[in-house]
Amino acid sequence: DTGVSQDPRHKITKRGQNVTFRCDPISEHNRLYWYRQTLGQGPEFLTYFQNEAQLEKSRLLSDRFSAERPKGSFSTLEIQRTEQGDSAMYLCASSLGAGSNYGYTFGSGTRLTVV
Amino acid sequence: SQKIEQNSEALNIQEGKTATLTCNYTNYSPAYLQWYRQDPGRGPVFLLLIRENEKEKRKERLKVTFDTTLKQSLFHITASQPADSATYLCAPLGSGNTGKLIFGQGTTLQVKP
Repeated sequence: DTGVSQDPRHKITKRGQNVTFRCDPISEHNRLYWYRQTLGQGPEFLTYFQNEAQLEKSRLLSDRFSAERPKGSFSTLEIQRTEQGDSAMYLCASSLGAGSNYGYTFGSGTRLTVV
Repeated sequence: SQKIEQNSEALNIQEGKTATLTCNYTNYSPAYLQWYRQDPGRGPVFLLLIRENEKEKRKERLKVTFDTTLKQSLFHITASQPADSATYLCAPLGSGNTGKLIFGQGTTLQVKP
């Protein structure tokens, strides 16, 4: 297992287009998290899954955002009708349980630029 | 609302010195507090976790303290090296089963040779 993988690494899209990102967590991790990070800020929580169940969504996650984790394996994050304010690094992380012993393992992120 | 504050200004120190980074939190009673390192263009990497009943935790050149009265954690890197240059993030974790980390904005450390 090579850790958490995110695809694509970079995405440039025109305003109004839809984009979808993929995250492959560490296979034995049952929890998967999505965060968003802008320059000079720490990661902001968006949502998380335990297995296939989406247990919490941040108020930051507008109706244009949707996340899925079918079969409790990989996850996708879709942003519809992108806006320039959506430009950010989107980070995925996974953990075994609540991450209270070994922390989260993050992927390298997907850098989204909306032009 | 819950708030986590880290030194917003970059910390510049000379190689070999001890770097001390501060994390303060308010409206929060975390059961654990984690520290991560983040390099430019990369995701954060987990370094250390300290529990509320632990005053201090060490790992190689790293030391973390956790003062629940002051609502503060200090992160120390002894004998710092240029390779330690990065942004360091603190993330308290509440009790219960949510597992949702809330991150501070991070402090950038620059170690000069």
